[in-house]
Amino acid sequence: DTEVTQTPKHLVMGMTNKKSLKCEQHMGHRAMYWYKQKAKKPPELMFVYSYEKLSINESVPSRFSPECPNSSLLNLHLHALQPEDSALYLCASSQENLGRAGYTFGSGTRLTVV
Amino acid sequence: DQQVKQNSPSLSVQEGRISILNCDYTNSMFDYFLWYKKYPAEGPTFLISISSIKDKNEDGRFTVFLNKSAKHLSLHIVPSQPGDSAVYFCAAPLISNFGNEKLTFGTGTRLTIIP
Repeated sequence: DTEVTQTPKHLVMGMTNKKSLKCEQHMGHRAMYWYKQKAKKPPELMFVYSYEKLSINESVPSRFSPECPNSSLLNLHLHALQPEDSALYLCASSQENLGRAGYTFGSGTRLTVV
Repeated sequence: DQQVKQNSPSLSVQEGRISILNCDYTNSMFDYFLWYKKYPAEGPTFLISISSIKDKNEDGRFTVFLNKSAKHLSLHIVPSQPGDSAVYFCAAPLISNFGNEKLTFGTGTRLTIIP
């Protein structure tokens, strides 16, 4: 299995809703990442987990809450989002927490906040 | 502060010809670069990389050139094929405030191959 699987592919949520994005990989990668991508912009790093521990939080607002239940799973819990949070949310993984290792990305979750 | 820049947002190339995508960087501490390709509604996929100890790396139709003195790299695709139509990002690992590497991406170039 050489894939990163993200669910759901699309999500529409209201500003008072609570929802979660899920990411799964079975490649034995020890680092997992959440990126956010707005239209016509590059992916921007949000969080990094290394060996199931949060190692980077890029000053992301607390309405985004990551969770790494085990080495294969990464969740992003969403609460009280704003319309400007609408974006493509990408999960990625790599063998180690090294940018040069080359990341494997999932297809993303297209989030729309209404 | 965009440390990796792709100044051409879009590029159109005839099928069979050479596509040249450019990337400039400002941080002289960068010592490794990667190119990713992204189709709509999919995540980026790794294409090719280069270490700063080299000035060229080749993989099939894809070649990346690095000019350290100019802080410039380019991706050459030859011959270009319709399936190469995608957005291409150059990226570089950056040491974060937390002391480990994170990948920073350029702004991307949309390549369209004209049949």
